Amino acid sequence: DTEVTQTPKHLVMGMTNKKSLKCEQHMGHRAMYWYKQKAKKPPELMFVYSYEKLSINESVPSRFSPECPNSSLLNLHLHALQPEDSALYLCASSRDGSEQFFGPGTRLTVL
Amino acid sequence: QKEVEQDPGPLSVPEGAIVSLNCTYSNSAFQYFMWYRQYSRKGPELLMYTYSSGNKEDGRFTAQVDKSSKYISLFIRDSQPSDSATYLCAMSSLHNDMRFGAGTRLTVKP
Repeated sequence: DTEVTQTPKHLVMGMTNKKSLKCEQHMGHRAMYWYKQKAKKPPELMFVYSYEKLSINESVPSRFSPECPNSSLLNLHLHALQPEDSALYLCASSRDGSEQFFGPGTRLTVL
Repeated sequence: QKEVEQDPGPLSVPEGAIVSLNCTYSNSAFQYFMWYRQYSRKGPELLMYTYSSGNKEDGRFTAQVDKSSKYISLFIRDSQPSDSATYLCAMSSLHNDMRFGAGTRLTVKP
């Protein structure tokens, strides 16, 4: 099973809402990642969890809050987002920090 | 200077052509090199992964890495219309800090 799943597929939220994105993998990978991708741009790294500990935060605004409840799950909590935060949010996992496998993404629209 | 440089194209080729995609990089700490294919509104799909200089072949795809020149390539033989997508090179160091190229948009015309 080389699948990374993400829910929801689409999300529309207002600037005052609180929502969460979820990511799950059952490949036994110990590194998990959040990326943000704007249209016609490459993915940009946001956060890296290694062995369930946050190891990289690429200076992401605090309105994005990651959480890794266990080795298979990764959440991204969203609060007070701005319209410019609208993008495709991608989750990925890796066995050891080398090759990364991506999920299908959550398409987020902030009104 | 960007850490990873990739010509965004677009690139248009006839069906059956050999496609050559390239990236250069500046960070000598990069150890892992990947090529991803991304269809519109989908997540990136891992095509090739290498960690050493040389060639790696998988079906119609060949990846080349030249660490001394900081240059990687992806070749697609006998290209098909279904290969039409955006191709992203990506690389990371031992610190999990993967960086992508801009992506090359490829169209294979029947």
